[in-house]
Amino acid sequence: SAVISQKPSRDICQRGTSLTIQCQVDSQVTMMFWYRQQPGQSLTLIATANQGSEATYESGFVIDKFPISRPNLTFSTLTVSNMSPEDSSIYLCSVPGGGYEQYFGPGTRLTVT
Amino acid sequence: ELKVEQNPLFLSMQEGKNYTIYCNYSTTSDRLYWYRQDPGKSLESLFVLLSNGAVKQEGRLMASLDTKARLSTLHITAAVHDLSATYFCAVEDAGNMLTFGGGTRLMVKP
Repeated sequence: SAVISQKPSRDICQRGTSLTIQCQVDSQVTMMFWYRQQPGQSLTLIATANQGSEATYESGFVIDKFPISRPNLTFSTLTVSNMSPEDSSIYLCSVPGGGYEQYFGPGTRLTVT
Repeated sequence: ELKVEQNPLFLSMQEGKNYTIYCNYSTTSDRLYWYRQDPGKSLESLFVLLSNGAVKQEGRLMASLDTKARLSTLHITAAVHDLSATYFCAVEDAGNMLTFGGGTRLMVKP
């Protein structure tokens, strides 16, 4: 199984600022995914981050708002830029594992005031 | 576009009762996942269903998959309070991306 850590675990940020969320995996993985869970809602895929290539964004998410880096096979960052209260969510990274599992990090709980 | 629908979205049960959560999806997929989420926590993997007719059981939970009907069920047997949580199904596409259902918030009352 994959062990995933995220930093920070939670943060309270002011409108208009940016926050970078880190995701670290204990093994090398080709694909990493970033999901958003708005309060009381389900999870929505933001983007797929592959090492060595540009991230692929889902409909409704753009690189200027959610830039992603993937410098190596164990690490990725997601930045939430120019934040507004609507960005208040839990952000989770995920990786596929052996045996068809999909593992999720503990999440970053973001509150924008 | 893959769509995943869960029902019910909210379920209040008495301890000891049985119930089923349904997960319908719109396009062909060979992998379906069930997760549990406790308040303020991340997702805990419950089951991965890989083929038509797959059935998996863990304790009081049993999941099944009918790929022809594009339907998965999560059956709860003799519910206990500790099962109170939100349950999500998710369907994987060819790119390993997951599309989630809306979630079922389960409350088991003594």
